Parts: sequence; C-alpha cells; structure tokens
Amino acid sequence: TQLLEQSPQFLSIQEGENLTVYCNSSSVFSSLQWYRQEPGEGPVLLVTVVTGGEVKKLKRLTFQFGDARKDSSLHITAAQPGDTGLYLCAGYSGGGADGLTFGKGTHLIIQP
Amino acid sequence: NAGVTQTPKFQVLKTGQSMTLQCAQDMNHEYMSWYRQDPGMGLRLIHYSVGAGITDQGEVPNGYNVSRSTTEDFPLRLLSAAPSQTSVYFCASSSGVGGYEQYFGPGTRLTVT
Repeated sequence: TQLLEQSPQFLSIQEGENLTVYCNSSSVFSSLQWYRQEPGEGPVLLVTVVTGGEVKKLKRLTFQFGDARKDSSLHITAAQPGDTGLYLCAGYSGGGADGLTFGKGTHLIIQP
Repeated sequence: NAGVTQTPKFQVLKTGQSMTLQCAQDMNHEYMSWYRQDPGMGLRLIHYSVGAGITDQGEVPNGYNVSRSTTEDFPLRLLSAAPSQTSVYFCASSSGVGGYEQYFGPGTRLTVT
C-alpha cells in the first residue's frame, strides 16, 4: 500500500485568509485526486491531476501536481465558510481497482 | 439519477449479530467498492468489484463478505459484528480505475456494542 501523508491535519482560519494544504508521498502516482467531504456525507471529487507539474484551477482553489508525481498541493484564496470540510487526497499507483490510496485528510474550518 | 444510495443511514448492533449494508448505483458503473472511515485512519478499502460476479479483497477484508450478482447492487455483510467494526461505511462506484471519479454514497454509521 502506497502511503499518502496530508498536512496539516487540522486548520482553522478566518474568512478571507489564504491557505495551502499538502499531500506527500515517497511513491510515484499516475494520477492524484482531491475530494471534499462535508459532515454526514460522502466525499465529492474536486479535481484529478495526471501530469507532473500540472496546475488546475477551480474558482478560488488551485491544485498542483508535483513534477515527480509524488506530491500535490491545494491552495485556497480568500477562504469562505463554505470551504469548511475534510479535504482528502487520493493517489492511484496502478495495478487495478485496489490501487487507489487515500490520505487521512485535512480538517479545514473557516470562521466567519 | 439517484447516484449511489446506501441503507441504512444509522445502525446499532450487539456483538455477534450479523447484518447487511445495502449499496446500489444507477450509473451503470462496473467498478464498486466498500470503504470504512475511522478517525485518524482515513478511508480504507474493504472489498471491491470490477463487475457482476467478480469481487476481491481490499486492505481490511476480515469480518466482511461481499457479493455482486448485478451491476447495480453491491451489499456488504458483517458476519459476526465486533466493536472494532464500529465505523462509518462508504460505498463507491466508478466507470473505471486510475483517474476516474469515485462516486460515494452518503454512508452508514455503524455502532457495535
């Protein structure tokens, strides 16, 4: 099982601030996904990145895949209370349907 | 489309009881998976299926059985519940592996006393 380390585990900031969360591994992934999970619900896909160095933007969220495809970051600009949730990264290392590994997540709270 | 549905939403079992968590999807996805989510442990794969009639074990399969008789349904059976199986269970489906989107159900919160 490939290991994905997410940091920080918990982050509480004020509305309007910027933040970055990280997803790191010593293993190479062929693709990496970010999901957001709200309390009492299942995770929902935000983005998939597949190319080393790739940057994708989703409104105020910017996702980057490391050049070596071992790490990724999620940057949120001008955070809003609606961004509150658990952010999970998931890396696919190949080999079939059991090749998807999830990180433990970053709990993000945006205070009004 | 209802997407992925799971029942029940909440369940309390006594140690030794058995039960089946239901999962259904209406997206005609070949791939379906069961995960458990525990505090500080993230999502861990229990069992998965790549199509009707085909199932395989994931990272934490002990104490659980699955079957896939149709494309739509993928039930998870707890044979003899133990307190260590207290968790939130998520079913997911996708149209492929790798970079394909996993569609998750709303989860079942299970407590074993």
